[in-house]
Amino acid sequence: GAVVSQHPSWVICKSGTSVKIECRSLDFQATTMFWYRQFPKQSLMLMATSNEGSKATYEQGVEKDKFLINHASLTLSTLTVTSAHPEDSSFYICSAIQWGTEAFFGQGTRLTVV
Amino acid sequence: DQQVKQNSPSLSVQEGRISILNCDYTNSMFDYFLWYKKYPAEGPTFLISISSIKDKNEDGRFTVFLNKSAKHLSLHIVPSQPGDSAVYFCAARGNQAGTALIFGKGTTLSVSS
Repeated sequence: GAVVSQHPSWVICKSGTSVKIECRSLDFQATTMFWYRQFPKQSLMLMATSNEGSKATYEQGVEKDKFLINHASLTLSTLTVTSAHPEDSSFYICSAIQWGTEAFFGQGTRLTVV
Repeated sequence: DQQVKQNSPSLSVQEGRISILNCDYTNSMFDYFLWYKKYPAEGPTFLISISSIKDKNEDGRFTVFLNKSAKHLSLHIVPSQPGDSAVYFCAARGNQAGTALIFGKGTTLSVSS
């Protein structure tokens, strides 16, 4: 299947700092990328939908100024958690799709804010 | 309001027997359904999918059944193997290209040898 690479896989940051997570589709051009968040023993919750060259669409309850998404190319989307707080600690996962196919997921990023 | 529901948080099965994981959905606009397998601290791995125009799709040991009238789908794994132990997520999406997957809460499958 297609490969989606997410980096970093684990990051610890101080409260108040910003963290950038990258999501790359390695062997295909992704028309759309999605960002999910998963809390322990919970489902993957969709945060936002990102189309190349346009503004991301955020789900209700997700602060767009806090979770900045940039989708500058068909192979790269970034999620920046700004002014991170301990409650932002979670597992963040990106996924990418080509036109009409199933979604492929990155390996996820474990964010711990201390 | 949860659009995709997996009501069983866990399932334990003996090696060699059949594992049946269930999923219900509420949104009649969903027309494509997928099952993902996930290990802790990793991204989900695609297992099998089914379009709403079918009622069954089979791939090796994995078979997905779809009952549109009941808005219910199930994943059958037979024979189950210890390596199948993981969290299984049911996901669904609408018929518009580029729509996101909506996930259930997952079912933790434990296969004992």
